[in-house]
Amino acid sequence: GAGVSQSPSNKVTEKGKDVELRCDPISGHTALYWYRQSLGQGLEFLIYFQGNSAPDKSGLPSDRFSAERTGGSVSTLTIQRTQQEDSAVYLCASSPLEAGGLYEQYFGPGTRLTVT
Amino acid sequence: AQSVTQLGSHVSVSEGALVLLRCNYSSSVPPYLFWYVQYPNQGLQLLLKYTTGATLVKGINGFEAEFKKSETSFHLTKPSAHMSDAAEYFCAVRAGGYNKLIFGAGTRLAVHP
Repeated sequence: GAGVSQSPSNKVTEKGKDVELRCDPISGHTALYWYRQSLGQGLEFLIYFQGNSAPDKSGLPSDRFSAERTGGSVSTLTIQRTQQEDSAVYLCASSPLEAGGLYEQYFGPGTRLTVT
Repeated sequence: AQSVTQLGSHVSVSEGALVLLRCNYSSSVPPYLFWYVQYPNQGLQLLLKYTTGATLVKGINGFEAEFKKSETSFHLTKPSAHMSDAAEYFCAVRAGGYNKLIFGAGTRLAVHP
């Protein structure tokens, strides 16, 4: 079946512009995660969605970052007034809700964001 | 708090040689541990995971890892490297009830003929 998809695959933007990154999780997966992969910081957790709510936003680096999820499916990560340090690969992962189980996360290919 | 340390940012082996990628963890609770592989321009793929039970875990592509509580380690091994194993490998620990992952810095594996 289809895996996690992300769009765009690459995004180049000018400093100060807003960007939106999209994630389409695997159908039926209730949990959705955003991570950021950058040269200086490695792989970092950003935010977790369970359904449409985000009980863990602890990894969002500043109030310029926000995310939403609608219909328990698609999620959008928005970065306002982008800065050069926002340049990174943004990865999305989804997992099924299995009662009592350990939820394996399935990762998308990522969006490479470059802020010039 | 949980954390992961991967020793060696770059490892180079000959084709057919043993692969050993090191991972040490810190966790205040019994850990759930993972190894992921990332090929160029691709997302992360799960190689194997440890939850409870058997401490030697077998994964895909001939990889395995052994959980050693006394050493707080979860090293990844493969008896014989193949050229297609060249990739970046990440060790991770589950952090908290929402299953978010804390990753190590990654180890880039090069395999030469």
